Amino acid sequence: AQRVTQPEKLLSVFKGAPVELKCNYSYSGSPELFWYVQYSRQRLQLLLRHISRESIKGFTADLNKGETSFHLKKPFAQEEDSAMYYCALSSGSARQLTFGSGTQLTVLP
Amino acid sequence: DTGVSQNPRHKITKRGQNVTFRCDPISEHNRLYWYRQTLGQGPEFLTYFQNEAQLEKSRLLSDRFSAERPKGSFSTLEIQRTEQGDSAMYLCASSLAVTTEQYFGPGTRLTVT
Repeated sequence: AQRVTQPEKLLSVFKGAPVELKCNYSYSGSPELFWYVQYSRQRLQLLLRHISRESIKGFTADLNKGETSFHLKKPFAQEEDSAMYYCALSSGSARQLTFGSGTQLTVLP
Repeated sequence: DTGVSQNPRHKITKRGQNVTFRCDPISEHNRLYWYRQTLGQGPEFLTYFQNEAQLEKSRLLSDRFSAERPKGSFSTLEIQRTEQGDSAMYLCASSLAVTTEQYFGPGTRLTVT
């Protein structure tokens, strides 16, 4: 069965510092991975997916199949990046998402 | 189109009562998903529809849970004989069948007293 692990429940960094949110997965097939973000009082929204290999709001994530990881990175954190971040894996014919438990990122001034 | 909508946004009910939630997906999306999210956890998949067909329902938590999408548009999720452990946020998401990108609604927060 598929599983997504986000080892850090809380992460605090100072504005301008680099940030890395960790995500590891287990899945027997070819994974499709996503990062979703939830800002305060807003709905869950897609931040990026590994297939598109794009940078959104300065964030990037690289799929490392050898380490089964999909860590989210940003070189210079901003206060508006403070939010809950979820890593998710799409699987099955339903393409349902399996989510990690999330990391609450706080960017301090 | 303002995206996926869910009603009600909050529901407080007494143990043993039945509750029904509604989800209106983005109009051209033929896939619709229900998830449940408990405190401190990520969303957990429950069931999904492609058009009006419920193609996966084995992950519904018990036989007290049921979902419908009668005309392939809006969907309802019903919980019968609610228990305190059913207290959670219930999320709906929709997508096109050709993509994996899901768009989420704001959720319905259920509190069972």
